[in-house]
Order: sequence, then C-alpha cells, then structure tokens
Amino acid sequence: DVKVTQSSRYLVKRTGEKVFLECVQDMDHENMFWYRQDPGLGLRLIYFSYDVKMKEKGDIPEGYSVSREKKERFSLILESASTNQTSMYLCASSEGQNVAQHFGDGTRLSIL
Amino acid sequence: AQKITQTQPGMFVQEKEAVTLDCTYDTSDPSYGLFWYKQPSSGEMIFLIYQGSYDQQNATEGRYSLNFQKARKSANLVISASQLGDSAMYFCAMRERGGADGLTFGKGTHLIIQP
Repeated sequence: DVKVTQSSRYLVKRTGEKVFLECVQDMDHENMFWYRQDPGLGLRLIYFSYDVKMKEKGDIPEGYSVSREKKERFSLILESASTNQTSMYLCASSEGQNVAQHFGDGTRLSIL
Repeated sequence: AQKITQTQPGMFVQEKEAVTLDCTYDTSDPSYGLFWYKQPSSGEMIFLIYQGSYDQQNATEGRYSLNFQKARKSANLVISASQLGDSAMYFCAMRERGGADGLTFGKGTHLIIQP
C-alpha cells in the first residue's frame, strides 16, 4: 500500500514566521502535489512537482514555495505566514497519468 | 466558470437505499480523467473510482459505480445499498492535459446516511 506521510497533523504558528510542511511518500512516485482545503471551497492546488528539483505552480501559489531535493520528499514553505493561510494542507503523490493520487492525512495549520 | 460543479451541498439518505451524487465538469481537452474521493470526518482522502474520457464503459468498483454521460459532461457517483459508514464528504475531481498536473476538485457533497 502507498504511504504518504505528513510530518504534523496539527500545527500552530504565528504571523510572520517561516513555516515548513513536510511530506514523504514511500512508493517512488514521480508526481507530488500540495493542496489546501477550506470549507465550501473544496481542495485547491498550490504547487506540484513531476521530478526532483522540478516544480510547477498550481492554481493558488501566492505566498507559498516548495522544495523537492529528493524524489520521496516534497516540502511546502510559507515564507512569512499570514492568518489567511490558516487551512488544512494535503499532500498527494501519483505514479503517472490516469491513476489515482494518494493523499496523506493532512496538516491542520493555524496561523495566529 | 467552475470546472467541476457539485450541486448538492448536503444529502440525507436512509440506510440501504441507493445514492446518486451529482458531478458536472467543463473542459475542452479531449483527454481527461474523472475521479471520486471520499473524505470521512477523520480527514483522510480515500480514492473511490476513476473514469477516463475514452473509456467506453462506466467504471465500477464494488458498491460504487460512475454514471458517465460524456455528451452531458456528467460523471455522477452511484453508491448502491448505502451503509452508515458511507457518511462522509464526497469530492468529484478532474485531471486535464497531462498526468503531472494536479486535480481540480469540486466543492463536495456532505452525505449523511440515516439508520
């Protein structure tokens, strides 16, 4: 079974802090994704990566950056956290086209 | 315009009844994929079923089936013989352009199964 692990289930940070959300997958998947989920809005794509050191902007990349130094690890970075970034963040991975993305359990991030 | 539309914010259904969750999509790409995910209150996203735009037959996975009507751009999820454990948020999603691109999700339907 594919395992996508997010480092924290709950996280509380202050405005202006630099925040790192980590995601690791154990199935050698090429593609990795970061989404945020907000009530009434569904999931929205922040960034994705299809290879090591490669990254592409999704629909809402503003205020975020990502890093993929190793194939199994995809990090989401909030350079200077703001209260409107309080949300549930979900990481996912997939092995190619026309296959399901496998999700981690999510990180509920609160910015105070 | 929304790419994925789920018109039912919430549904109440009696246990053992069949359920249809609506999903319409908008794309000009001839090659796309449609997915349904379930999200229980615990938060994890569980993949249920996939339909490719070129698939001739409707996808089925156990109690789940996808009613794919390409001309109508509709991809409704059908759950047969609903169970209490089916209570969850359900999201329809679409992939376009290429497998590396992320999914576009609808806003979800909150399904509650009543005993």
